[in-house]
Amino acid sequence: EVQLVESGGGLVQPGGSLRLSCEASGFTFSDYWMSWVRQATGKGLEWVANIKQDGSVKYYVDSVKGRFTISRDNAKNSLYLQMNSLRAEDTAVYYCARALGSGDCSWGRGALVTVSS
Amino acid sequence: QSVLTQPPSASETPGQRVTISCSGSRSNIGNNPVIWYQQLPGTAPKLLIYNNDQRPSGVPDRFSGSKSGTSASLAISGLQSGDEADYYCAAWDGSLSGFVFGTGTTVTVL
Repeated sequence: EVQLVESGGGLVQPGGSLRLSCEASGFTFSDYWMSWVRQATGKGLEWVANIKQDGSVKYYVDSVKGRFTISRDNAKNSLYLQMNSLRAEDTAVYYCARALGSGDCSWGRGALVTVSS
Repeated sequence: QSVLTQPPSASETPGQRVTISCSGSRSNIGNNPVIWYQQLPGTAPKLLIYNNDQRPSGVPDRFSGSKSGTSASLAISGLQSGDEADYYCAAWDGSLSGFVFGTGTTVTVL
């Protein structure tokens, strides 16, 4: 069974940093593009970043470029999102997703990030 | 950055058919496959339709997708109370080099 489990969420002050992790199981992690998608409370879905199977290609939404870094460790079956210079508008549930946009798409349950003083 | 436009809400009585539209542009829907996700209250999104009109295993054939030009549609026939959810369309956008979601549509079963 495919499982994606996010961790590392929490409360952080504006300007602070946080690192999200996503542990994958039930499939060959290194075979898939991986993504982070976020959703503010009561709002719609927003794609944040993508990373290729070998980590060689990464894409980001404009609002996080230069602040967030997506990475992966295929040996540990793990995806990461390093979030720096956090802003109030980054407050959201962050979902880890496999193969976003394909028939193999799966989502984790999400991790809540709250940016507040 | 929601560049795909959906109606905010749609409703119908049980057993009826509801259709949700998704309007985009040449850089996204016009040149890339459309995906539809269903998000039940309090849960993570779930893949409903991929590659414009394909259903993953386990998704009932009451759900169907279509695409024409720069627009796409999701139809739900034989509407059930369990279909009450938010529905999002999505596609890769070549101009933005990013994935874009629709604004979302809340389906209510009257």
